[in-house]
Amino acid sequence: EAGVAQSPRYKIIEKRQSVAFWCNPISGHATLYWYQQILGQGPKLLIQFQNNGVVDDSQLPKDRFSAERLKGVDSTLKIQPAKLEDSAVYLCASSLEPGQGSQPQHFGDGTRLSIL
Amino acid sequence: AQSVTQLDSQVPVFEEAPVELRCNYSSSVSVYLFWYVQYPNQGLQLLLKYLSGSTLVKGINGFEAEFNKSQTSFHLRKPSVHISDTAEYFCAVSVIQGAQKLVFGQGTRLTINP
Repeated sequence: EAGVAQSPRYKIIEKRQSVAFWCNPISGHATLYWYQQILGQGPKLLIQFQNNGVVDDSQLPKDRFSAERLKGVDSTLKIQPAKLEDSAVYLCASSLEPGQGSQPQHFGDGTRLSIL
Repeated sequence: AQSVTQLDSQVPVFEEAPVELRCNYSSSVSVYLFWYVQYPNQGLQLLLKYLSGSTLVKGINGFEAEFNKSQTSFHLRKPSVHISDTAEYFCAVSVIQGAQKLVFGQGTRLTINP
């Protein structure tokens, strides 16, 4: 079974520029998550999709962050404009069944974003 | 709301020694409990999970954890560690009702010394 795929692995941009990350979840997984992991901290949920609908985006800074999951498969996360505090690893995860708290999440290797 | 506290940010241990990584949680509702491991430059991998039943849960790579409801703890243990266990370990909780929403602790960096 292929895992969660993310690209790019690394990205360096200057503040106020825009950036986009891509995620392809495990085939058949209904739920997709984007997390932000700042150095030395645990991952923090940014947005959760169930198929192509948003379940939870309460912690997404909507003035600069946006995400979409067209057709309920792969997803993109965008930051525009980037700030210094956005330097972090952005992790994508997916799980099989929607609405089940017991389901394990499968994580990609993440995109490490550095803002200069 | 739920919260997770990992009591040690770093734990250095000698190879083949036992280790315990501590995790306490706070929640007003029933939760599921998880431990994830993160190797350098990789995503998180599930080590084990507690859903219900026996309070002692066994996971991959020889790790186990014990759920203690009265102390709201879910400590991770391994009787004998290897160099390859060097990684960051995260405890997480998710409410039982509704869609899963993981809340993670700050992480514990486990360093194994030869």
